[in-house]
Amino acid sequence: GAVVSQHPSWVICKSGTSVKIECRSLDFQATTMFWYRQFPKQSLMLMATSNEGSKATYEQGVEKDKFLINHASLTLSTLTVTSAHPEDSSFYICSARRDVYNEQFFGPGTRLTVL
Amino acid sequence: GNSVTQMEGPVTLSEEAFLTINCTYTATGYPSLFWYVQYPGEGLQLLLKATKADDKGSNKGFEATYRKETTSFHLEKGSVQVSDSAVYFCALNPRRTTQGGSEKLVFGKGTKLTVNP
Repeated sequence: GAVVSQHPSWVICKSGTSVKIECRSLDFQATTMFWYRQFPKQSLMLMATSNEGSKATYEQGVEKDKFLINHASLTLSTLTVTSAHPEDSSFYICSARRDVYNEQFFGPGTRLTVL
Repeated sequence: GNSVTQMEGPVTLSEEAFLTINCTYTATGYPSLFWYVQYPGEGLQLLLKATKADDKGSNKGFEATYRKETTSFHLEKGSVQVSDSAVYFCALNPRRTTQGGSEKLVFGKGTKLTVNP
């Protein structure tokens, strides 16, 4: 149990287009989900905290209008990279906090390449 | 601010060798400390944790002791196996957790371990 999936696992898009990444908790409810970004050989950097039914909380330096987060249900959060540019190319990882046990579970990540 | 520094890899060992991956941290107050492991193609999994000074976290033969005096949480295993090949992340939660959960984790850069038969 406690599996988190991400879709797609990798995506290549043209500069200027928007890309949506889904994060799903498959067998538990998650009021809170987190979105991270990881550059090669770098740490995971928290981008935002996604709360079901309310606005996401963004970390300092993360553009809200660039990275749109929607947490419409207790099992799904989406991250949309709007007007993507090559510098947005990265590995995006989500995690979901299992409500009852207050434990965080991670998805396998999504590799985004913007040409 | 809060930060985690872990030894850079990659680390390559032979099976049954002793493993140490160093991790030091900077934090105000009393953080909780974690080690996560990421196997190829999978998400991060919690390996072990410690929530207060002198606590020892252990799991699957891995151990780490929360050393407040040296601000360290080094990961050790006495005899590694090929199946331990993965990337290991040290992380902290700036505030102490009461139920073993975690929020707003601060991660180290990760250390890739390869164990050869």
